[in-house]
Formats: sequence, structure tokens, C-alpha cells
Amino acid sequence: GAVVSQHPSWVICKSGTSVKIECRSLDFQATTMFWYRQFPKQSLMLMATSNEGSKATYEQGVEKDKFLINHASLTLSTLTVTSAHPEDSSFYICSARTSGKRGGTQYFGPGTRLTVL
Amino acid sequence: AQTVTQSQPEMSVQEAETVTLSCTYDTSESDYYLFWYKQPPSRQMILVIRQEAYKQQNATENRFSVNFQKAAKSFSLKISDSQLGDAAMYFCAYRSPYSGGGADGLTFGKGTHLIIQP
Repeated sequence: GAVVSQHPSWVICKSGTSVKIECRSLDFQATTMFWYRQFPKQSLMLMATSNEGSKATYEQGVEKDKFLINHASLTLSTLTVTSAHPEDSSFYICSARTSGKRGGTQYFGPGTRLTVL
Repeated sequence: AQTVTQSQPEMSVQEAETVTLSCTYDTSESDYYLFWYKQPPSRQMILVIRQEAYKQQNATENRFSVNFQKAAKSFSLKISDSQLGDAAMYFCAYRSPYSGGGADGLTFGKGTHLIIQP
């Protein structure tokens, strides 16, 4: 149980184009999903919290107009990197939180490697 | 803001031996959650173990156990009978008990690269 998928697993795009990454909770409903970014040999950094039916909450320093998040259903959140540039190249990982009395556990997707040429 | 510190960038252990990975954290909250995640070369984050701060008993999952010292803000992971499949990056993570505004996102340490020697 608690499986999270991400699509695509990798993507290469030209500078200036937009890229959409999907995150799905396959066997549970998630009112809250999270998007993280991981640079090579570094830790995960929280970018934003995605809430079903409401606006995402972005961490300080993350441009919300550049990283558009939509959480349209209880099993799907999308991250769109708009007008991508080479510095946006990174590994993007989503997680979905299970529900629970005192807070759920986050289960992670397999990640998406984005390369911007 | 909370911080998580893993002071061991890399650890090495012989197969079948026991290894302990260190983690300390800083918080002003009295209740919170702590996690250890494993990231193998596939880069899939896998939950290893979870601890709730209000529980005094240390969490255990098969060969994995934690030593949670709340007063010292320490949360170490012990891996017994190490296996080749345990080789991975291990991340310690903190989560606030509160919801909303990004408060329930995870704060990660920098990770410890665990090498298992056959």
C-alpha cells in the first residue's frame, strides 16, 4: 500500500519551454502532496505544499509563477516548470501524505529528472 | 525554523555487522515526528522508520531501530545484521505536528552515505 507514481521519470527540454510533471497516489487519497527538489549529491529541499482544492503554499525563495502547482483531485498533483532554463535542471520528487489521527506519513514518488538544454 | 544535522557524510560497515547513523535536530516544538528515509541508487525514497516525539518507546522495524533522546534532540538509527541491500543514502527528517503553510513538509538532513563491505 501507499504507492506514489510520477510521470515522466525523465524529460529533456529546450530552454524557454514548459514542462509538466504528474504525481499520483495510486492506492490512497491524499489531500496534501509535496514537491521537493534535489540537486546532485545533495539533500531534498521542500519547494511547495499542494493542497487539494486550494492554492499551493510555496517555500521562501521558490517562484510561484515559475513553478505552477495544481492539485485538482485527491489523487493527482501536477508541477509545471514554466519557461524552463538550464538552472532549473534538477531531480524533482513528489510525496503524498496519508491521512491519520496525528499526522500521516509521507510516501514518495520515484522522482523526475529534468534536463533543460 | 527547524534544522536537522547529520554529521557523518559517509559510513562503512562489514556485512552482518551493526552500524549506527547519527542525527541531531533543533526545534522549539515539544511535539513532532522524526523519520529515517533510505535513498538507494534508484533515487526512490523509502521510509525506514518513524518516531513520534510524544512516545518514549524507541521505534523498531525488523533490523532497524532508533535511539530517540528527546532532551538531547538526538535520533540515531541502528542497523543490525547489515546486508548488501542496505547500501544507500540515509536521510533523517523532521516534521512539525502542525498543518498548513508548508509546516508539515519534511526538513531533511544532508544525508549519510552507507557503504556495506562484503
